Amino acid sequence: QVQLQESGPGLVKPSETLSLTCTVSSGSITSYYWSWIRQPAGKGLEYIGNIHYSGSTKYNPSLKSRVTISVDSSKNQFYLTLSSVTAADTAVYYCARVGGGSSGWYYFDFWGQGTLVTVSS
Amino acid sequence: DIQMTQSPSSLSASVGDRVTITCRASQSINTYLNWYQQKPGKAPKFLIYAASSLQSGVSSRFRGSGSGTDFTLTISSLQPEDFATYYCQQSYSVPFTFGPGTKVDIK
Repeated sequence: QVQLQESGPGLVKPSETLSLTCTVSSGSITSYYWSWIRQPAGKGLEYIGNIHYSGSTKYNPSLKSRVTISVDSSKNQFYLTLSSVTAADTAVYYCARVGGGSSGWYYFDFWGQGTLVTVSS
Repeated sequence: DIQMTQSPSSLSASVGDRVTITCRASQSINTYLNWYQQKPGKAPKFLIYAASSLQSGVSSRFRGSGSGTDFTLTISSLQPEDFATYYCQQSYSVPFTFGPGTKVDIK
């Protein structure tokens, strides 16, 4: 079954840009939407946005001005950049596959293990 | 954005108990409602989609129901591996939003 793995710096300075990579294995990145979701310590889950393998994107309006999600199908990877970070962006960041699209039911069926990103000087 | 609420925020139960968690949407979402289970330090696990359809491989003791704005997740006979936090999530419109979670712990 498909596997996802997040990678990237665990520490980012305030006002700088957070950049993460999600590598998809045991399956193709094509024909699906892919998402980023984050979770501050001890808190709930927040949808950041998603991307189709073709490159079309949807973002959470609360983050839209700072977020870019991109994809490289040749590498079976997709990416998250979040600019002008503050301590409020400290969280575990998950990448996930959006399943069910062909049926109209969208759900996050496969998740990466998550990566903690701390924003601190 | 569609706001999701859950009740209770936490509950204590014993192995073998029947447990019910409620999720409410701020507007009608038809049956565009998913459920997830999360254990400490782990990624969420997908359980149910379309309010009542069980994901392949998920135990049949999990049952979802509801439509419109009110939904429930029922665990028919709580097992030790079911102690976790449960989240509902709407997929009716972007941004997809999650409920705040219901923590199920051991009585």
